[in-house]
Amino acid sequence: DAGVTQSPTHLIKTRGQQVTLRCSPKSGHDTVSWYQQALGQGPQFIFQYYEEEERQRGNFPDRFSGHQFPNYSSELNVNALLLGDSALYLCASSPTGGTGNTIYFGEGSWLTVV
Amino acid sequence: GQQVMQIPQYQHVQEGEDFTTYCNSSTTLSNIQWYKQRPGGHPVFLIQLVKSGEVKKQKRLTFQFGEAKKNSSLHITATQTTDVGTYFCAAYALNFGKGTSLLVTP
Repeated sequence: DAGVTQSPTHLIKTRGQQVTLRCSPKSGHDTVSWYQQALGQGPQFIFQYYEEEERQRGNFPDRFSGHQFPNYSSELNVNALLLGDSALYLCASSPTGGTGNTIYFGEGSWLTVV
Repeated sequence: GQQVMQIPQYQHVQEGEDFTTYCNSSTTLSNIQWYKQRPGGHPVFLIQLVKSGEVKKQKRLTFQFGEAKKNSSLHITATQTTDVGTYFCAAYALNFGKGTSLLVTP
């Protein structure tokens, strides 16, 4: 049973560019959440998707957008990249509802903006 | 959001010593979750506490949720080198603390 898988694992982008990160949830999970983790910090909640809709959103600008597909996989898009967007981007999945349940994190995508 | 603060930021212990990290909120929390992140790894869910005054144990780890549901603690008895990592608390899996990094010296 595959856990949460994310791609790519590492990438380098230039300021102003756009990036798309991908996530496949654990089998049986339909809720996907995205987090940004800067070095030495805790994960910061970006948004959560359930039934292909953004259900909750953290304090992130509109440059951060997402999508969930019918197979529950998800994408995180970041436009107009800034140096401060350099971080580990974590995807987490959970069963229906996504609250009060164990959530499983993927290994993350390391984004470096130069 | 329900912000949580963790102390201490770092803790260095000798193997066999005990370790405790604390999580505090200015508001009442509906639940609190604890995660462990090994260096270079991703957060791994440890436990969720929901009830006021709840105490749960996992082998050498003891988790407590305060009576007022505004604080929580994680206590590790007789630390081992495998306990090395950063321990995070999170309110409702949305608001994570900055974590406590534990270093265990053999």
